Amino acid sequence: GAVVSQHPSWVICKSGTSVKIECRSLDFQATTMFWYRQFPKQSLMLMATSNEGSKATYEQGVEKDKFLINHASLTLSTLTVTSAHPEDSSFYICSARPGDFATNEKLFFGSGTQLSVL
Amino acid sequence: SQQGEEDPQALSIQEGENATMNCSYKTSINNLQWYRQNSGRGLVHLILIRSNEREKHSGRLRVTLDTSKKSSSLLITASRAADTASYFCATDGGSNYKLTFGKGTLLTVNP
Repeated sequence: GAVVSQHPSWVICKSGTSVKIECRSLDFQATTMFWYRQFPKQSLMLMATSNEGSKATYEQGVEKDKFLINHASLTLSTLTVTSAHPEDSSFYICSARPGDFATNEKLFFGSGTQLSVL
Repeated sequence: SQQGEEDPQALSIQEGENATMNCSYKTSINNLQWYRQNSGRGLVHLILIRSNEREKHSGRLRVTLDTSKKSSSLLITASRAADTASYFCATDGGSNYKLTFGKGTLLTVNP
C-alpha cells in the first residue's frame, strides 16, 4: 500500500524559532497533499491544500505567512511554522492523495508531528 | 465548520462485543470514508462508501449510508483490544477530494 513518511515525529523548540516538517510519499506520486492540525482529543482541522508546482490554498483563518507550505516535487511537501509561539504547539499531520484515478479518493496519512513550543 | 459529527463521542465495550458508531453530515457528498487513529499517530483509511451505495463490508467492518438522513454507521463486529482507537468519518463533497472530518469516536475495547 501507499506509504507517507512524516518527519520529525516530535520537535521541541524555543519561542521565536522556525520549525520545518517534511511529508514524503515513498512509493507513489502525490499531486495533492494536505496539512492538518489536531488538538488533543479533537478532530483534524484542515490547514491548507498544496498542489505540486503551485501555491498552497489555505483554509479560512490560517495565516499563510505563519505556516509556509512548499510542494516542490511530486513526493515532497514541507510545512514551516515560522516564529513559533506556545499557541502553535499542536499535532500536525500531513496526508497525500495518489495521482492515479483508481486510488485517489482515499488519503494516506503521515504519522504526525508533535510540536511543542517553549 | 465540521461536516461530520460522530456519536457517541466515547464508547467502552468488552472484547468480543460489537461496536457501532454513527456519523451525521450536513451537505451532499460524493463519498463518505471512515478512518482510524491510534493515539498520537496518523490516520489509517478503513473503508469508503459512495453516495450511491447503501452498505459495504470489509472483514469485520460494516458501513451503511443513508443519504436521505445524511447519516452513516460503522459497525465493528467481534471487537478486539487492538481495535481500541479513535474512529473518524470524513466526507468528500468537492472536486479536490478535500475531506472534512468529524469529531471522532474514541473506542475502548477492554480485554
